Amino acid sequence: AQTVTQSQPEMSVQEAETVTLSCTYDTSESDYYLFWYKQPPSRQMILVIRQEAYKQQNATENRFSVNFQKAAKSFSLKISDSQLGDAAMYFCAYRSAGETSGSRLTFGEGTQLTVNP
Amino acid sequence: EAQVTQNPRYLITVTGKKLTVTCSQNMNHEYMSWYRQDPGLGLRQIYYSMNVEVTDKGDVPEGYKVSRKEKRNFPLILESPSPNQTSLYFCASSRSGQGRREQYFGPGTRLTVT
Repeated sequence: AQTVTQSQPEMSVQEAETVTLSCTYDTSESDYYLFWYKQPPSRQMILVIRQEAYKQQNATENRFSVNFQKAAKSFSLKISDSQLGDAAMYFCAYRSAGETSGSRLTFGEGTQLTVNP
Repeated sequence: EAQVTQNPRYLITVTGKKLTVTCSQNMNHEYMSWYRQDPGLGLRQIYYSMNVEVTDKGDVPEGYKVSRKEKRNFPLILESPSPNQTSLYFCASSRSGQGRREQYFGPGTRLTVT
């Protein structure tokens, strides 16, 4: 079974600065997807960024980028130029590329990000 | 607008009183799932369905039932709720087939069992 670990329950960053959230995972599969989800106080789950395991290039979405280290099974999220609206709970998640368990996502414990003005 | 809806959004109930949380999606997705979110544990899959009349257990199925009689609906049933089922519940759906299969989440249902 796959596991996802986020070792930072809480992080804080000053507005306009950069912060990196850590995520490690364990799997015996070679083909999978990794995700970062944002959950603001509204509780809505918002997809921030996605990485396909077969792609060596790190995914980037505007101010959000990842550092995907497949051999180390590490998948960190970097938020540049942090904004007050980035304050939220962030979840790292794993999904097998196969069609099992109804596209089940395996989530980490979450990291609560505070952005200080 | 593509969406997953859940009802109710908030529910306070007492131990043992049967309840149903509804979930509906308008995207003709084959796959649907229920997750529960607890502090320090992230989200965990309760049950999933890969199509009409096809359901199976996820990681934490004890105390829950589901049914999939129509493609768009996937209700979560708690026959005899207990306080340890107090949680935030999410329904999600995605299409089947190879590729990204983006998961669409509902807005969540906050359940308190006293």
